[in-house]
Amino acid sequence: GAVVSQHPSWVICKSGTSVKIECRSLDFQATTMFWYRQFPKQSLMLMATSNEGSKATYEQGVEKDKFLINHASLTLSTLTVTSAHPEDSSFYICSARDSAMDHNEQFFGPGTRLTVL
Amino acid sequence: AQSVAQPEDQVNVAEGNPLTVKCTYSVSGNPYLFWYVQYPNRGLQFLLKYITGDNLVKGSYGFEAEFNKSQTSFHLKKPSALVSDSALYFCAVPPGNDYKLSFGAGTTVTVRA
Repeated sequence: GAVVSQHPSWVICKSGTSVKIECRSLDFQATTMFWYRQFPKQSLMLMATSNEGSKATYEQGVEKDKFLINHASLTLSTLTVTSAHPEDSSFYICSARDSAMDHNEQFFGPGTRLTVL
Repeated sequence: AQSVAQPEDQVNVAEGNPLTVKCTYSVSGNPYLFWYVQYPNRGLQFLLKYITGDNLVKGSYGFEAEFNKSQTSFHLKKPSALVSDSALYFCAVPPGNDYKLSFGAGTTVTVRA
C-alpha cells in the first residue's frame, strides 16, 4: 500500500514551453501533497504544499505564477512549470500524506527529471 | 523551527561491517523523526519512523534507529552492510505544527565489496 506515482518520469522540452507533471496517490486519499525540487546530490527543497480543493501554499522564494499547482481531487495533484527555462531543469519529486494518518509520514513518488533545452 | 542535522556528507564502509548514519535533531517536546533512503534517480523510500514508544525502532531492509533524548540523536544503523545499501540517506523532522517535513542535507553511503 501507500504508493505514489508520478508522470512523466522524465521530460525534455524547449525553452519557453510549459510542462505538466502529475502526482497520484494510488491506494489512499491524500488531502495534502507536497512538491519538492532536488539538485544533484543535494537535499530536497520544498516548493509548495498542495491542498485538495484549495490554493497551494508556496514556500518563500518560489514563484507561484511560474510553478502552477492544482489539486483537484483526493488522489491527484499537478505541477505545471510555465515558460520553462534551462535553470528550471531539475529533479521534481512529489509526496503525499495519507489523510487517515495523524502524523507527518509522507509517501514519495519516483520523481520526474525535467531537462529544458 | 525544528530541524535535523546530518553531520557526515559521506560514509564509506566495507560490506559486512556495521553501518551507522548520524542524525541529530533540534526540537521542542516529543519529536517525530523519520529516515528515508534515495537510490539514484529515484524518489525517497521510507525506512522507519519514531513517533513514540520504544527508543529502538526497527525498519525496512534490516535498518534500525535509536532515539536518544539525552544526546538528541536518531542515528540509523545496520549491523551488516550490503553493497546494495549504497544510496543517499535522509533524516527528517516536521519543522512546525503542520504536516511538512524538513530534511537533513543527506548522507551518501558507499558500501564496498
